[in-house]
Amino acid sequence: DVKVTQSSRYLVKRTGEKVFLECVQDMDHENMFWYRQDPGLGLRLIYFSYDVKMKEKGDIPEGYSVSREKKERFSLILESASTNQTSMYLCASKVPGGGNSPLHFGNGTRLTVT
Amino acid sequence: TQLLEQSPQFLSIQEGENLTVYCNSSSVFSSLQWYRQEPGEGPVLLVTVVTGGEVKKLKRLTFQFGDARKDSSLHITAAQPGDTGLYLCADPANFGNEKLTFGTGTRLTIIP
Repeated sequence: DVKVTQSSRYLVKRTGEKVFLECVQDMDHENMFWYRQDPGLGLRLIYFSYDVKMKEKGDIPEGYSVSREKKERFSLILESASTNQTSMYLCASKVPGGGNSPLHFGNGTRLTVT
Repeated sequence: TQLLEQSPQFLSIQEGENLTVYCNSSSVFSSLQWYRQEPGEGPVLLVTVVTGGEVKKLKRLTFQFGDARKDSSLHITAAQPGDTGLYLCADPANFGNEKLTFGTGTRLTIIP
């Protein structure tokens, strides 16, 4: 089975801190994604990556950056955390080549910024 | 930007009842995926429907894709507490575009 592992289930950070959310997948998937999930808003795409060192902005990239130095690892960075970034963050991976292959999600990181 | 609307937003029913949830799009789907997210976990793919009018069954779950490929429904027969979760529909974008658009979800609670 595909396993997508997010390093933290819960994080509490202070406003202005630099925050790293880590995600590792074990199935050699080329494509990796970061979403945030908020009540009433569903899943919104922050960034995705289709290869090492490649990244593309999603729907809501402002305030975030990403790093993909190795194929299995995709990191989400909050340069200066703000309270409006309090949310559930979900990482996902999939094989490339069209949209019908499934997204495989991690169990999420619930980030609280105070 | 395509909009995916799911209804109802919340649904709470007794064990053993039947239910239907809906996913509607402002434009034609290329194909459609349904995911279920259980509490404390990430979403997991249930099914992909591709052809207009297609019906797929997964045990007590029946998925239907509208003829015009602008809507889909999920029907659950004899709901069980294990069906509790957030049901999300998603539209894989056109070939070569790896973005997925998700609906806002239906949060289903089955009361024992």
